[in-house]
Amino acid sequence: DAKTTQPPSMDCAEGRAANLPCNHSTISGNEYVYWYRQIHSQGPQYIIHGLKNNETNEMASLIITEDRKSSTLILPHATLRDTAVYYCIVRGRVESSYKLIFGSGTRLLVRP
Amino acid sequence: KAGVTQTPRYLIKTRGQQVTLSCSPISGHRSVSWYQQTPGQGLQFLFEYFSETQRNKGNFPGRFSGRQFSNSRSEMNVSTLELGDSALYLCASSLAGDESYGYTFGSGTRLTVV
Repeated sequence: DAKTTQPPSMDCAEGRAANLPCNHSTISGNEYVYWYRQIHSQGPQYIIHGLKNNETNEMASLIITEDRKSSTLILPHATLRDTAVYYCIVRGRVESSYKLIFGSGTRLLVRP
Repeated sequence: KAGVTQTPRYLIKTRGQQVTLSCSPISGHRSVSWYQQTPGQGLQFLFEYFSETQRNKGNFPGRFSGRQFSNSRSEMNVSTLELGDSALYLCASSLAGDESYGYTFGSGTRLTVV
């Protein structure tokens, strides 16, 4: 079973920041938080991942709360091409460490 | 650099037949994983290979099998196809496959069983 909870859908206006929340209240100390997105009929695309500290790359920022029970993916200036299903995944060095367990994700719609 | 390549992109098979799908990972990546995606079940993990060894396996029947070659290319095989095997099959590669690395997915093979 997925170890994360995400809202089923969100929308935002083009050019504005999109903030996608994720709850992972059962995360353990050595588990990473990963974000992927999937545009219709394509393979999931890796966005970002982090353990404890906030992370930023050319695509997005990942903010992880101090207790690590939740995180937020931030797309700073959403474009129409960011419309996709976004998956938050927790993964660590346990029996399941070599697989990604996908939940239902958040369907983000970027409006013109 | 080239991404993860899956062949073929589309495939139509008849019930009872078998099928082999191929995945070429990013050069230098040694871990290859396979996933099945259907509208009803979402993305589900099939198995993962690292250095020609299967490290983990999902909850799929024995009709689903795979292997990895010395050049890290991987194949998955489904025997005695059923209508419910119609899905998008995705392959993902990673440098080592452990929790500190991300996976890069291919575009998938869409299998239709009729």
